[in-house]
Amino acid sequence: AQKITQTQPGMFVQEKEAVTLDCTYDTSDPSYGLFWYKQPSSGEMIFLIYQGSYDQQNATEGRYSLNFQKARKSANLVISASQLGDSAMYFCAMREGVYSSASKIIFGSGTRLSIRP
Amino acid sequence: DSGVTQTPKHLITATGQRVTLRCSPRSGDLSVYWYQQSLDQGLQFLIQYYNGEERAKGNILERFSAQQFPDLHSELNLSSLELGDSALYFCASSAPGGRGDTGELFFGEGSRLTVL
Repeated sequence: AQKITQTQPGMFVQEKEAVTLDCTYDTSDPSYGLFWYKQPSSGEMIFLIYQGSYDQQNATEGRYSLNFQKARKSANLVISASQLGDSAMYFCAMREGVYSSASKIIFGSGTRLSIRP
Repeated sequence: DSGVTQTPKHLITATGQRVTLRCSPRSGDLSVYWYQQSLDQGLQFLIQYYNGEERAKGNILERFSAQQFPDLHSELNLSSLELGDSALYFCASSAPGGRGDTGELFFGEGSRLTVL
């Protein structure tokens, strides 16, 4: 069954430090995609990064990188040089059936990241 | 601006009432997803439509229904409302899909429903 787990309800990090947000998943579908979204206190959902199950390299987008360990079924988000504006809720999400028009995209419970100045 | 439009942004109503939330997807996107986010919770997948047809279903209550119209806009109908239905309801759209397309979701700003 499709499942996403985020085990860190909240984290505090000092500004300019790197932070890793954990995400593990479970699926029997060989074609899947993993996403990270940021939700600031204003409520909007902001796409950060995507990793496909067949991608050979870990995805990177600016200060964001995804540490994809397929055998361990983990897709951790790494934020380098954290900034005050990174304080937000972060959600990991998974899509099965990447090449299908029918696909659930489910979200984890989220991690609330707070950056200390 | 994601290109996804949701109306209304805020809605206050009473228990037992019925409301309709509307979503216009990004131009060209065929898939529409609905999610419910209760206070300080994650996003619960409700339902997905693709080009007018229901394609995937989550834990959507029987009191809730949705549809996608020929012009691809979608509506989520919530009836016999209860206090616990108070939440932020997100609509999201994604591109047609296929190799090279990530299926990234583009979210609207959400409709915040308060049931009193």
